[in-house]
Amino acid sequence: DGGITQSPKYLFRKEGQNVTLSCEQNLNHDAMYWYRQDPGQGLRLIYYSQIVNDFQKGDIAEGYSVSREKKESFPLTVTSAQKNPTAFYLCASSILGIINYGYTFGSGTRLTVV
Amino acid sequence: AQKVTQAQTEISVVEKEDVTLDCVYETRDTTYYLFWYKQPPSGELVFLIRRNSFDEQNEISGRYSWNFQKSTSSFNFTITASQVVDSAVYFCALSSQETSGSRLTFGEGTQLTVNP
Repeated sequence: DGGITQSPKYLFRKEGQNVTLSCEQNLNHDAMYWYRQDPGQGLRLIYYSQIVNDFQKGDIAEGYSVSREKKESFPLTVTSAQKNPTAFYLCASSILGIINYGYTFGSGTRLTVV
Repeated sequence: AQKVTQAQTEISVVEKEDVTLDCVYETRDTTYYLFWYKQPPSGELVFLIRRNSFDEQNEISGRYSWNFQKSTSSFNFTITASQVVDSAVYFCALSSQETSGSRLTFGEGTQLTVNP
């Protein structure tokens, strides 16, 4: 079955460490997105990519970095510059330019700073 | 610019009550799509429905129904005879050519709690 796989499901980070969250899709979607969700809050866009080797900052990109070397993969690195990284992170994908498609979401990664 | 507003941050009901979740949107485009997603406690967002701007017919799916009114720019979601399993965060979203590619604009979400 096609879908989006996020790993790990739970991740613990020590202060000052960088960590990378994985997002892989086998839906042949062009566009991929990373969202952050804090408890009781909505979704905030971190980064998105519409094509391989290209990506754009979302609303809260500071302290995060991404790469898009393959169509299937869009990993997110939470750097030590991100002062409050504890949150739930969701990856999504969609078909570029097809406005009626919506998003397919992964199951999320819950990151905790210890 | 596009905007989606879900004014109800939290709603709490008792099982078997009917509940309506409000969604109001803004867009300059005449062609657009509206979506509802459900986020259960497990975290993954699940697609519920999409509606295009040219189809104002109400939709019913079991206990779920959606009321789309262009005159008031609203796309409200009603759960009839709510159940505990309906407890989740519900997001309304909008997609149109106004945004880059196929990006969705999300509302802030409504946390629905159904008590036994």
